[in-house]
Amino acid sequence: GAVVSQHPSRVICKSGTSVKIECRSLDFQATTMFWYRQFPKQSLMLMATSNEGSKATYEQGVEKDKFLINHASLTLSTLTVTSAHPEDSSFYICSARDSAGPYEQYFGPGTRLTVT
Amino acid sequence: DQQVKQNSPSLSVQEGRISILNCDYTNSMFDYFLWYKKYPAEGPTFLISISSIKDKNEDGRFTVFLNKSAKHLSLHIVPSQPGDSAVYFCAASARSNYQLIWGAGTKLIIKP
Repeated sequence: GAVVSQHPSRVICKSGTSVKIECRSLDFQATTMFWYRQFPKQSLMLMATSNEGSKATYEQGVEKDKFLINHASLTLSTLTVTSAHPEDSSFYICSARDSAGPYEQYFGPGTRLTVT
Repeated sequence: DQQVKQNSPSLSVQEGRISILNCDYTNSMFDYFLWYKKYPAEGPTFLISISSIKDKNEDGRFTVFLNKSAKHLSLHIVPSQPGDSAVYFCAASARSNYQLIWGAGTKLIIKP
């Protein structure tokens, strides 16, 4: 089946530093990848849609200068949280849509970010 | 404005019985519907989907029913097993942008 990996699975960083999270589709090509954030006991919140070779589309209220997204290849998208603050602490999940398929998105295992 | 609604935050079912999870939507432009299962601190796992041209799709123990006139879909799990205990999310998509619009989730608890 379609596998999506995310790295790292957990990261702790200090306020003011930047953190990069990688999302890879392992056995399929993904023209489109999505970045989500999940708050405790809440549903997934879409942050941005990432299309290979073009700029990401951010959802309303998501700061594009704070959450930098790069989708340089058909199998890799990265999310960089810049100048992290404690309120950025959250569970970040990426998903990838198989370019050869209809609508299904396949999710990575998530990254737990803690900013101290 | 919630376009996809899962009105039951939780559901408790006896092991071996049928679990029925419900989902309602408001946007008539949605043409594809998906169910995902999620364990804590993990990414969602795709379970089953259905296109708006169908009213039923079955995969093993999982069956999804779509009632377009009522803008309602449901996921049936038969028989329910302890490993089915998780949060189930309903999601919908429109052909235009492939984004998934998510429901709030229903926590399914399978009792032994």
